[in-house]
Amino acid sequence: QLQLQESGPGLVKPSETLSLTCTVSGASISGRSYYWAWIRQPPGKGLEWIGSVYYSGSTYYNSSLKSRLAMSIDTSKNQFSLRLSSVTAADTAMYYCAGAGGGYDPFDFWGQGSLVTVSS
Amino acid sequence: EIVMTQSPATLSVSPGERATLSCRASQSVSSNLAWYQQKPGQAPRLLIYGASTRATGIPARFSGSGSGTEFTLTISSLQSEDFAVYYCQQYNNWPPLTFGGGTMVEIK
Repeated sequence: QLQLQESGPGLVKPSETLSLTCTVSGASISGRSYYWAWIRQPPGKGLEWIGSVYYSGSTYYNSSLKSRLAMSIDTSKNQFSLRLSSVTAADTAMYYCAGAGGGYDPFDFWGQGSLVTVSS
Repeated sequence: EIVMTQSPATLSVSPGERATLSCRASQSVSSNLAWYQQKPGQAPRLLIYGASTRATGIPARFSGSGSGTEFTLTISSLQSEDFAVYYCQQYNNWPPLTFGGGTMVEIK
């Protein structure tokens, strides 16, 4: 059974860079045509897709975050990562990593989430 | 960008009753529509994909229907564990992948 686990700092200062890593276990991150994604949820609000990365390294970003966003994949560690620069309080959210079986598939695997608070 | 609109925002239902949740897309998403359930403090869980196919382990009381721009999630007889927030998501035309704003199903 494929499992995902987010890791990273829970507190980030305004204007700094938020960095999170998702570790995939139970399967190779490059073993199938999976698209790996980051999705966030501000407290008490709905879900927002941040971006997706394919095992080849191809990335797809939400245009609203594109100028501040970088996603990458490390197949040797079975991990993928998120970096969001110049954060503000509006970036405070639960950040989930997730996996979709293909480019036109739903997210069938989710991590438990990592709460990131932006505050000085 | 395809905008997903869910209604109602909150649905009050008694245990054992039927719940009907709606999701509308701003343009056709064919059948590339998923439903997720999220309970407090938990990650979303996939319930339905392809508009009408139940994900692995999902009880038969959950059913999805629709195609194009109009979709429905029906819970035939609400159990205590079904009170949660439900989100629809389109994966037909991206980026961006988009979610609806959610419907909270609460105990009446």
